[in-house]
This record gives sequence, structure tokens and C-alpha cells, in this order.
Amino acid sequence: EVKLVESGGGLVQPGRSLKLSCAASGFSFNDYWMGWVRQAPGKGLEWIGEINQDSSTINYTPSLKDKFTISRDNAQNTLYLQMSKLGSEDTAIYYCARVDYWGQGVMVTVSS
Amino acid sequence: EIVLTQSPTTMAASPGEKVTLTCLASSSVNYMYWYQQKSSASPKLLIYYTSILASGVPDRFSGSGSGTSYSLTISSMEAEDAAIYYCLQLTSTPWTFGGGTKLELK
Repeated sequence: EVKLVESGGGLVQPGRSLKLSCAASGFSFNDYWMGWVRQAPGKGLEWIGEINQDSSTINYTPSLKDKFTISRDNAQNTLYLQMSKLGSEDTAIYYCARVDYWGQGVMVTVSS
Repeated sequence: EIVLTQSPTTMAASPGEKVTLTCLASSSVNYMYWYQQKSSASPKLLIYYTSILASGVPDRFSGSGSGTSYSLTISSMEAEDAAIYYCLQLTSTPWTFGGGTKLELK
């Protein structure tokens, strides 16, 4: 069974950084592109970016590329999202996705 | 960046009614993915490569389209189909979602 489990969310102050993790299991992690998606409260889905199997290609939505960094550790079957200079507009549920399978999401709240 | 515009934004359908949701792309894309999201749950993949049903998806769902125009059709609305539906294009980076269509039960 494919499982994606996000962690690392919570309350963070404006201007601070936060790193999310996504633990993958039930499939050969290093065979797949992986991505991050977020959803602000009451809003639609926003694709953040994706990373290929060997991390040689990483793409971001232009508006987020200067503050978000996607990485992966194939030995640990884990996907990461490093977020910096966080603002209230970054408050959202963050999902790890394999496109066909999604995690349950983790809430990030940016507030003082 | 390819912009996807979904219509209608909101609609209501009666049980048994045929429903068609549309996703228009600002530039041509090779295929479309469709997702269903209920309440606060994670989105669920319904259709990939425009018309292929994901595993476990009822065959009342179907997808079609090409170029800049794609659609998701529910042949006979059921109560459990009330949800928000999103299209996603993966042809061109950055990948982008449509704004969603909220489908309610009448």
C-alpha cells in the first residue's frame, strides 16, 4: 500500500523558516517524481513544485521559487520542503504528492 | 505559465442527472488530470492522461478533450459525488491547477 506521511508542520512566526518531511512507503520511492502542493484555508490547490528521481531536475511555481526548496533522500525514502521567510500568506495545508497518491497533509500556520 | 479555467465555479445536480465540468487551458496541453476533494480530505485522483480512470473510480466518471479544452463527465449523479473537482496540467512547468468546480447535490 502506497503511503505518504507528512510531518513538521505547526505554528511558526512570520519571517521564520520551517522544514517539512514526507515519509514514503509501499512503493519504490526512487522511481518516481514527487511534488508538494498546498491549500490555503477555504481556497483551491496550488502546485508548489516537483523533483525528479535523482534530484537533477527541480521545478517550482515562479512565485514560490525564492522561498521554497524541494529535496529528497532516496536512501531514507523521504521528500522535503524547506520554507523560508514565511508570511501569513503561507498558512495552508501542505501535501506531499506522487501525482496519483497524496499524503494526508500537514497544517502550517504562520502567525505571531 | 499555463492558466486553467474551470467552469462552472459552482453547480448543483439532482441524483441521476448527467454532469459535465469543463477545464480550459490558456495554451495547448497534451493531457489533463482530474481530482476529487471531499470536505477536508486529501484530493483523490479520478482520471489521468485525459480519459483513463484511476483504480477504483466508478465508471460513471469519464474524461475527454484535447488541446485547450477538457471535460469531466459524471453520467449519473450520485450523492457521494458532491465534492470539489480540480483539473491539473503536467505538460508544461510550472504544473498548474484549475480553480476548482464545487458540485453540490440538489
